[in-house]
Amino acid sequence: EDKVVQSPLSLVVHEGDTVTLNCSYEVTNFRSLLWYKQEKKAPTFLFMLTSSGIEKKSGRLSSILDKKELFSILNITATQTGDSAVYLCAVVGSQGNLIFGKGTKLSVKP
Amino acid sequence: SAVISQKPSRDICQRGTSLTIQCQVDSQVTMMFWYRQQPGQSLTLIATANQGSEATYESGFVIDKFPISRPNLTFSTLTVSNMSPEDSSIYLCSVLGQGITDTQYFGPGTRLTVL
Repeated sequence: EDKVVQSPLSLVVHEGDTVTLNCSYEVTNFRSLLWYKQEKKAPTFLFMLTSSGIEKKSGRLSSILDKKELFSILNITATQTGDSAVYLCAVVGSQGNLIFGKGTKLSVKP
Repeated sequence: SAVISQKPSRDICQRGTSLTIQCQVDSQVTMMFWYRQQPGQSLTLIATANQGSEATYESGFVIDKFPISRPNLTFSTLTVSNMSPEDSSIYLCSVLGQGITDTQYFGPGTRLTVL
């Protein structure tokens, strides 16, 4: 059965800290892994990763995939209160659907 | 990415009633997806809606409870039928991005509370 496991489930940091969020997966016929940020209702797309070792970067956020060890990390440097959200990791299942992890709830304190 | 709207954005409904959620996309898309997110949980796929064919439901979801329409390439509806408090969730539609991609973009969601 395809599954995605994220850790930690929640995290509290102070502004300026750097955080690393983890996502491990088991999926048949891996195609891609996606990261989303969910602040209220709708997840907003951050990254899609398909190849190992190639870092995707957007501002203070970056992500990398390790297809051998079946995991991905999402890094956020110099965190700000606006980074407070639930970060969701998802992999594309064998039917083309997304299989989501439970998410990591990040709280950034001023 | 496509611009997606959902209506209503939220609703409070009585047990036993039904609610239809609309999803509108500003461009033609082949596949649309409907997800549910129960309180404190992650997103779970309800069904995939392709234009011109029956929706494909995931395990645990049935057409009688969650009928879906897909009359054209820019619109879909999800009905939550005979609601119970356990149906209180956020309901989200999503579409695939342009080109050959697995990236899904989500609508703003509908927050449903069943009393």
